Amino acid sequence: NAGVTQTPKFQVLKTGQSMTLQCAQDMNHEYMSWYRQDPGMGLRLIHYSVGAGITDQGEVPNGYNVSRSTTEDFPLRLLSAAPSQTSVYFCASSYLGTETTEAFFGQGTRLTVV
Amino acid sequence: QKEVEQDPGPLSVPEGAIVSLNCTYSNSAFQYFMWYRQYSRKGPELLMYTYSSGNKEDGRFTAQVDKSSKYISLFIRDSQPSDSATYLCAIQPYYSASKIIFGSGTRLSIRP
Repeated sequence: NAGVTQTPKFQVLKTGQSMTLQCAQDMNHEYMSWYRQDPGMGLRLIHYSVGAGITDQGEVPNGYNVSRSTTEDFPLRLLSAAPSQTSVYFCASSYLGTETTEAFFGQGTRLTVV
Repeated sequence: QKEVEQDPGPLSVPEGAIVSLNCTYSNSAFQYFMWYRQYSRKGPELLMYTYSSGNKEDGRFTAQVDKSSKYISLFIRDSQPSDSATYLCAIQPYYSASKIIFGSGTRLSIRP
């Protein structure tokens, strides 16, 4: 059982380049999210999805796009990379039961924009 | 004002000490109160959560929520070097598992 798989693990981009961070989960969870983690700032929500075909913006959505065509996949697209997008990106897959909940995170993608 | 404020640390204590980690939150609409643990260069993992208010105990860990003062705490008894990690408090609304709001994290180091 792989859980949440993120690719790539590391990436260096030049300013202005675009790329897609991949995220896949095999737990059949409806909820998926993308976060970025910067030193001293915890995790900040970029975009999230409550099911296939449904996405919405989080706290810091500018410069990023998402889509959710299947339950399993939730890719994050950087449209035109900027140095301010240098960060560690985490994808999460979550469930919500009756008074129960848990988010499972991938191992992260370390992105550097030069 | 940030929705979740966490004591930033870092915190360094000797092995066997009792550790207290604390957060405050501002939006009373949230019903899930969680603690995630993150080891270096890894993704966060859920350590404990409470639904609504009160205390929850799991081995050496106790999570406490006081909704009247909007205060979230995690206590670690008999701390071990393996507890050295970053601890993130988090809140989540009852209606969605994809809108988790995290604190900034406290880096904890347990000295042998």
